[in-house]
Amino acid sequence: GAGVSQSPSNKVTEKGKDVELRCDPISGHTALYWYRQSLGQGLEFLIYFQGNSAPDKSGLPSDRFSAERTGGSVSTLTIQRTQQEDSAVYLCASSLEEWSTQYFGPGTRLTVL
Amino acid sequence: AQKVTQAQTEISVVEKEDVTLDCVYETRDTTYYLFWYKQPPSGELVFLIRRNSFDEQNEISGRYSWNFQKSTSSFNFTITASQVVDSAVYFCALVDTGTASKLTFGTGTRLQVTL
Repeated sequence: GAGVSQSPSNKVTEKGKDVELRCDPISGHTALYWYRQSLGQGLEFLIYFQGNSAPDKSGLPSDRFSAERTGGSVSTLTIQRTQQEDSAVYLCASSLEEWSTQYFGPGTRLTVL
Repeated sequence: AQKVTQAQTEISVVEKEDVTLDCVYETRDTTYYLFWYKQPPSGELVFLIRRNSFDEQNEISGRYSWNFQKSTSSFNFTITASQVVDSAVYFCALVDTGTASKLTFGTGTRLQVTL
């Protein structure tokens, strides 16, 4: 079946603008995760969803970052008032349930000018 | 706190050589899972293997093998007869009960296989 998909694949924005990144998990996967990959910080966890609830938001770096998941499926990560340090590849992963193997999407490369 | 260390930043080998990628982990939990992922130049993280803390059996899959040793907190990955297509960044990762199910990644090892 289809894997995890993310859109857009690339996003260039100006400092101060808001951006929305989308993730479509593998069908039937109840758990969804957002990670960020940047040169200086490696791979960092951002937020975890089980169904539509987010029991772990501990990785969100500031209150400019928020995420939601609807219908137990699609998730959107929103970054408000983007800063240059937000430039990174944002990766989404899904798993059948908590503790199952996480499968990753191709990522969204965000560049803040 | 949990931690994953991949001390080898970059490894270069010639095709057909065997290569071992090291991974050392730290966790206080007795229940945990270890993973290896491959990130080729295309950028997508590809799952390779998952191992739980109660299963210390070594795993072999084709040219890939994994050596899990709880006594040394290591989960090393060996590629036998490496090929150019193995060139990628390889990440070791850990999930334990203290972190819900989020992955804690090592910093990755870049493997370059040349002809």
